[in-house]
This record gives sequence, C-alpha cells and structure tokens, in this order.
Amino acid sequence: AQSVSQHNHHVILSEAASLELGCNYSYGGTVNLFWYVQYPGQHLQLLLKYFSGDPLVKGIKGFEAEFIKSKFSFNLRKPSVQWSDTAEYFCASWGTGGGFKTIFGAGTRLFVKA
Amino acid sequence: DAGVTQSPTHLIKTRGQHVTLRCSPISGHKSVSWYQQVLGQGPQFIFQYYEKEERGRGNFPDRFSARQFPNYSSELNVNALLLGDSALYLCASSLTPSYNSPLHFGNGTRLTVT
Repeated sequence: AQSVSQHNHHVILSEAASLELGCNYSYGGTVNLFWYVQYPGQHLQLLLKYFSGDPLVKGIKGFEAEFIKSKFSFNLRKPSVQWSDTAEYFCASWGTGGGFKTIFGAGTRLFVKA
Repeated sequence: DAGVTQSPTHLIKTRGQHVTLRCSPISGHKSVSWYQQVLGQGPQFIFQYYEKEERGRGNFPDRFSARQFPNYSSELNVNALLLGDSALYLCASSLTPSYNSPLHFGNGTRLTVT
C-alpha cells in the first residue's frame, strides 16, 4: 500500500538553527506531494506542495522542500528557525489508484527553544 | 470568510453507542473529506464526498458512514463505538476532489469512547 514515512517524530532546535525534516514516499510513479503544518491550537494548513517542474519548491514562512525522485524523498528545510515555527509538521502524498485521498505521514513535532 | 467548521468540538461516548459528527465546508467548496487522527499518528483517510456522492472510501469498517447534503455540509456517523474509535476526527473541504485543489481543514472533533 502507498505510504509516507517521516524519520523524526520529535525535533528540538534552538532559534536560528537550520531545520531539515525527512520524508520518504513509497509510490514510484507520478507523485503529488505536500507538507502541512499544525501550529498549537490551530488547524492543519498547507505549507507547500510539489506537482511537477522545479524540484525545489518554496512555501510560506520561509520553508522550502526538495523533491528527489531517485531517493523517493521530499525533505522540508528552513535555513533559520524561529520560536514561532514550533508546530507539528506532516508530509503527505496524493493517493494514486483512485479514492481522492491524501496519505499522511505520522508527523514530526518540532519545538524551537527561544 | 469562515473556515471549515466542525461540531461538536469534544464528545464523550460509551462503547456500543453511535455518534454523528458535523462539518460545514468553506463557502463555494463542494468537496468534503473526513480523516481520523489517532494520537501519535497522521490523519487517516475515511471518506471523500463530492457533489453529494461518495467518491472515495478508506480502509474503515462499515460502522463508519457519511453523507453530504445539498448545501455541501457533511455528517460522519459511527455506529457501535469501540474504544479504538477514540480519536480526533478532521473534516477538510476543497473546491474539487483533485490533487491541485488544496485541502482546508477544520479544528476537528475530539471523540472519547469509554
């Protein structure tokens, strides 16, 4: 079955540190990939997406992600995190084979120390 | 504009009971999806409805059912509740059930089954 894996469940960083959250997807064909973020007390919201074209995609709040097809990866990065980036981050893939579904990874909880 | 609204926000039920969760999509959105998020996991796809028809169903038992009304709001019903049904139930709306139509999530309904 199609799946999305996130390597780190919990990450703790100090402000200004660089961030990279790992994500791997299982499907070998055309993929449509997303990162969602859930800030404390808020709903899930889209951070960025990749459908095709430039494998380096930029999202809101200075986040970017790189699609590497050969590695089945879509890692999320930010050069310098802020305390306000404390949140849970979910990598996701559009489900293939019908169903109109999005398949989510287990999530990574990021805590940024001020 | 109002976002996706879900009701109730919290619910406590006893094993064997049934529950109805409600969702109002963003105005103009005709697609509604339901997800279950168990603690420590990412959202798991339950149903997708578009134009009042079920377009996708996840790997959930028949105790789970849903429907979409003419105003595009939706209900998720769960019968014969089990302890394992305790979770956060998320509703998401989008313009269409397509990968390039971003999901907009509500804050969820926290269901506790005792």
